[in-house]
Amino acid sequence: NAGVTQTPKFRVLKTGQSMTLLCAQDMNHEYMYWYRQDPGMGLRLIHYSVGEGTTAKGEVPDGYNVSRLKKQNFLLGLESAAPSQTSVYFCASSRRGTSGRASTDTQYFGPGTRLTVL
Amino acid sequence: KQEVTQIPAALSVPEGENLVLNCSFTDSAIYNLQWFRQDPGKGLTSLLLIQSSQREQTSGRLNASLDKSSGRSTLYIAASQPGDSATYLCAVRPSLSFPSGSARQLTFGSGTQLTVLP
Repeated sequence: NAGVTQTPKFRVLKTGQSMTLLCAQDMNHEYMYWYRQDPGMGLRLIHYSVGEGTTAKGEVPDGYNVSRLKKQNFLLGLESAAPSQTSVYFCASSRRGTSGRASTDTQYFGPGTRLTVL
Repeated sequence: KQEVTQIPAALSVPEGENLVLNCSFTDSAIYNLQWFRQDPGKGLTSLLLIQSSQREQTSGRLNASLDKSSGRSTLYIAASQPGDSATYLCAVRPSLSFPSGSARQLTFGSGTQLTVLP
């Protein structure tokens, strides 16, 4: 049981380049999330998904796109990278809470991807 | 908008000392509050989750308390050990009375970096 995995672990991009970050979970969780962590700012939600084929915007979605074609995978794309997107990116997953309206259970995090945009 | 603050940003204590980490939030309409641990270069691991109706949760040497009306939570670590050295983050989930969507997702504090000296 690997939990939540992220690839790649590190990446350096030049301004304007594109890339995709892959998140995979083997816990059959319905909900998945992408966060970015910047120094002194905690984690901020970029996009999230409540199920296969559905995505929604979080707090800081601009410049990113996501897709959830399979339940176990959640992809984060940067179409034209900018230096402001230099950050550590974390993926997380959780199961649907018993309320059915929101995930109220704890989130399980991947190890992160450190991205530098020059 | 919910704001979560953790002070101090860094804390250094000798081994064996009992310590308290603080978390404050501006909007008391929360569903639950979680404490996470983050080790360098790794993702977050959930430590304790307190529902809004609860006053405290305990796990081993850890005890988390919640005073929703005053917007405060504390994480108490008893008999600290060098292995406790990590960054500790708190996160709040808004009440289910909020509309669905990103407004109901977790808001994180920026964390307290704890160093326990041998």
